Amino acid sequence: QKEVEQNSGPLSVPEGAIASLNCTYSDRGSQSFFWYRQYSGKSPELIMFIYSNGDKEDGRFTAQLNKASQYVSLLIRDSQPSDSATYLCAGQGGKLIFGQGTELSVKP
Amino acid sequence: DTAVSQTPKYLVTQMGNDKSIKCEQNLGHDTMYWYKQDSKKFLKIMFSYNNKELIINETVPNRFSPKSPDKAHLNLHINSLELGDSAVYFCASSPLGSEDEQYFGPGTRLTVT
Repeated sequence: QKEVEQNSGPLSVPEGAIASLNCTYSDRGSQSFFWYRQYSGKSPELIMFIYSNGDKEDGRFTAQLNKASQYVSLLIRDSQPSDSATYLCAGQGGKLIFGQGTELSVKP
Repeated sequence: DTAVSQTPKYLVTQMGNDKSIKCEQNLGHDTMYWYKQDSKKFLKIMFSYNNKELIINETVPNRFSPKSPDKAHLNLHINSLELGDSAVYFCASSPLGSEDEQYFGPGTRLTVT
């Protein structure tokens, strides 16, 4: 059974801090990984993807991938209350397999 | 402009009934999907269609039957609804060759009483 695991949280950080969201996966064949953000009552939206080992930065967001450790993370710098949402990690191995999501709360 | 739309947004029905959810995308994408998100926010793929052809059919009860009249539409029909079918159902689409770049519809919250 191919799985993607996330800590469901909630993760609470103060405004301006770095939020660190983590994800592990079981399928070594997964080649690419995605982070979706889902606001309460809304649909998931793609915010980051990463294919290669290392870091990928996009504005305040940095995705990190370590294929040897089967570990993916998302760092959000200078967290804002508007970042409060559930963050879904997904691995691609023929289809998207989602983790259960981590709820992030950024306190003003 | 609406990219991926679903109707209805909310659906409340009784056990044993049959219901349908409709999905339409105006993005010109070739691939469409149905996902189920349960109360714990776990999002799981149910079906995938590529240009009207069924590609992915996960372990879903055969009470669920997708139908794609054309590549812009993917509907979901559910027979003999059960309490456990209560969830949010999302439709999504992706361009050909970029199955990871999925655009989700607003979701349909199904409540079975």
